[in-house]
Amino acid sequence: GAVVSQHPSRVICKSGTSVKIECRSLDFQATTMFWYRQFPKQSLMLMATSNEGSKATYEQGVEKDKFLINHASLTLSTLTVTSAHPEDSSFYICSARRVASETQYFGPGTRLLVL
Amino acid sequence: GNSVTQMEGPVTLSEEAFLTINCTYTATGYPSLFWYVQYPGEGLQLLLKATKADDKGSNKGFEATYRKETTSFHLEKGSVQVSDSAVYFCALTNRPQGGSEKLVFGKGTKLTVNP
Repeated sequence: GAVVSQHPSRVICKSGTSVKIECRSLDFQATTMFWYRQFPKQSLMLMATSNEGSKATYEQGVEKDKFLINHASLTLSTLTVTSAHPEDSSFYICSARRVASETQYFGPGTRLLVL
Repeated sequence: GNSVTQMEGPVTLSEEAFLTINCTYTATGYPSLFWYVQYPGEGLQLLLKATKADDKGSNKGFEATYRKETTSFHLEKGSVQVSDSAVYFCALTNRPQGGSEKLVFGKGTKLTVNP
């Protein structure tokens, strides 16, 4: 149990376009989902925390208007990178925390390349 | 604040060698401690965890003991395999009262096991 999926796994887009990444908890309900960004050979950087039905909480330095997060249901959260630029190219990873649990379960990640 | 420090890699071992990856933490109160593993091109997977002092987490031959007196959570395996080659992340959560916890990660340690 505790499987988290992400779609797409890889995406290439042109500069200036927007990209939506989906994160789903497949076999459990997730009251809280987290979005991370991972640069090559570095650790994960928490971007934001989203709770179902409420606005996401963004970490310092993360632009909320650029990285739109929606947590519409207990099994789905989306991250939209708006007006993407090459510096947004990265590995984006989501995680989901099930109700009354501390453990986060991670998705396989989405590699974004902005040309 | 909360922080995790783990030994810098990369670590290269021969198959069946003994593995230790050191991890120490700084946190107030009583954090929960985790080891995550990231295989090439994939997202993070929970390897093991411990939620209170003197707890031992174990999985797939890996072990780590929560040592509050030394604020450590070192990862060990008696006999590594080529398939253990991955990046290992030590992490903690320290849920503030009334808030949602965040995972704080170490920088990761890359392990390569040669046949």
